[in-house]
Amino acid sequence: SQQGEEDPQALSIQEGENATMNCSYKTSINNLQWYRQNSGRGLVHLILIRSNEREKHSGRLRVTLDTSKKSSSLLITASRAADTASYFCATEYTGGFKTIFGAGTRLFVKA
Amino acid sequence: DVKVTQSSRYLVKRTGEKVFLECVQDMDHENMFWYRQDPGLGLRLIYFSYDVKMKEKGDIPEGYSVSREKKERFSLILESASTNQTSMYLCASSLSQWRVGGSPLHFGNGTRLTVT
Repeated sequence: SQQGEEDPQALSIQEGENATMNCSYKTSINNLQWYRQNSGRGLVHLILIRSNEREKHSGRLRVTLDTSKKSSSLLITASRAADTASYFCATEYTGGFKTIFGAGTRLFVKA
Repeated sequence: DVKVTQSSRYLVKRTGEKVFLECVQDMDHENMFWYRQDPGLGLRLIYFSYDVKMKEKGDIPEGYSVSREKKERFSLILESASTNQTSMYLCASSLSQWRVGGSPLHFGNGTRLTVT
């Protein structure tokens, strides 16, 4: 399977703390994307980082990409209770034109 | 804002029934996708389409077929529903894969299908 893997599977932190989630994948990619899913709903796109980029920011989100290690991380700074959700990384593989998702990290932010 | 609409939020069907899941997007996206989501397994790609009447198998196409007669509509068909197809089904769309650097997926809210 080409499916990537997220780490950790679940994360529980206090409001105001930073949350870091990691993603590893297996083959060459065009880009890597992070999504958020609130319980029972569809996924919402957060950020896309291309294979030639190393870091990207969007508000309180920071994403890094290390293509030599085939890994990415998502950092949420100053977390809020409203950040409680599942977070997925997804990779668009070169030559395949399909986007493959990992199993996700469940983040719980305690108020 | 892109809107991806799935026809049903919840669906209950019997084993052996033919099931149609409909998805419509309003942003003229070339690509459309069907995923299923199961606890602990994340999202798994069933089929995708990069143009009208074009389709490609994803990672788990067995037991499913798709139809894309119009650009905005992508249907997932369960030819003979089975209990192991009980799942959350998510439709998504995106701009063409030829777009440099890629394009994010826009998801519908999902259809929770129960096969009894």
